[in-house]
Amino acid sequence: AAGVIQSPRHLIKEKRETATLKCYPIPRHDTVYWYQQGPGQDPQFLISFYEKMQSDKGSIPDRFSAQQFSDYHSELNMSSLELGDSALYFCASSYPGQGDNTQYFGPGTRLTVL
Amino acid sequence: KQEVTQIPAALSVPEGENLVLNCSFTDSAIYNLQWFRQDPGKGLTSLLLIQSSQREQTSGRLNASLDKSSGRSTLYIAASQPGDSATYLCAVLSGNTPLVFGKGTRLSVIA
Repeated sequence: AAGVIQSPRHLIKEKRETATLKCYPIPRHDTVYWYQQGPGQDPQFLISFYEKMQSDKGSIPDRFSAQQFSDYHSELNMSSLELGDSALYFCASSYPGQGDNTQYFGPGTRLTVL
Repeated sequence: KQEVTQIPAALSVPEGENLVLNCSFTDSAIYNLQWFRQDPGKGLTSLLLIQSSQREQTSGRLNASLDKSSGRSTLYIAASQPGDSATYLCAVLSGNTPLVFGKGTRLSVIA
């Protein structure tokens, strides 16, 4: 079965640069969640989208923005990168419309800021 | 606000032992509870998912139970193996909301 796809899998950036992470949900899933997991930390919710509209917002810095496109894929844009942004970024998708709120996770993107 | 706690934070056991990992949550109005495994620097592998209407789920040597009214879940690992060494995360879903994760239990199984 198709799973959540994230790209790139690894990304290395310098401080103050920008980065764009992409998430392709499971086909027919209309809801996307972004989570950030710092070293030794548990995943923390950043932001979510339902039907291309922002549905919930967590601890996402103002330097970050995200959107969901008409094909339901989502992009997380990160600007003015800081060393503390180094983390694993997970995307999850779900399809609440079929009565199942279960979130299915992608493999993650490891961002390293030097 | 939902809070998830996992005890112990770390656990070291000899190979072959049966063990129990604990997860507690503060708001019992959950949709489901999920146990994940995470190897160092790697992604999240979903192990077991228990819907709020279920009491337990089993997969191989793993058994997860859920007591929603008391806000507790346990993950039982039978006949532990060195390959089971990883961090185990419990996550709770309440409706159409983000998952709330515990801080995990770091398990080491010594050969």
